[in-house]
Amino acid sequence: KQEVTQIPAALSVPEGENLVLNCSFTDSAIYNLQWFRQDPGKGLTSLLLIQSSQREQTSGRLNASLDKSSGRSTLYIAASQPGDSATYLCAVPQGAQKLVFGQGTRLTINP
Amino acid sequence: DVKVTQSSRYLVKRTGEKVFLECVQDMDHENMFWYRQDPGLGLRLIYFSYDVKMKEKGDIPEGYSVSREKKERFSLILESASTNQTSMYLCASNWAGWTGELFFGEGSRLTVL
Repeated sequence: KQEVTQIPAALSVPEGENLVLNCSFTDSAIYNLQWFRQDPGKGLTSLLLIQSSQREQTSGRLNASLDKSSGRSTLYIAASQPGDSATYLCAVPQGAQKLVFGQGTRLTINP
Repeated sequence: DVKVTQSSRYLVKRTGEKVFLECVQDMDHENMFWYRQDPGLGLRLIYFSYDVKMKEKGDIPEGYSVSREKKERFSLILESASTNQTSMYLCASNWAGWTGELFFGEGSRLTVL
């Protein structure tokens, strides 16, 4: 059974810092890994999807890496801004049946 | 841009009422999903559909049913709402099973009194 863990549950940093969010999963036989952002009271917004054959995926100030062998992914946010404050979730497929989500990291960027 | 639209952002219903939550996607996606999200429990899959008129149970289907009469529309039905169904409901869609990028709607916050 696939399990996804995101540590820490909450993170608070000053504006302008570069930061890394972590995601670990127990079953390395995954097709892909997806990172989402969720603002309070809203739905999830897809940020990046990394296929199992890729090691990195970039979108603007975001860079996601995937290391299947170690069961880890990181989301790097460069030059953080207050507008980056949100909860960030990662998710991986469990076989071909369903997506398993982490509990998320609640990020606060302080001006 | 992919658009997944949930018709109601906020609903307040009474115990025992029948509740319909509607979701429409505009990208011709084959697959559509209903999740609920609760503090401390994360996202849990209720039902999903991989084709018109097809449906599969997720992890917590009890108390819910779904309908997919057209490809773009996926409805979640609470036959007799109960207070423990107070939650945030999220609809999502994608092209190719669990391997395609998943897109979510804005969510429907349901309160059952």
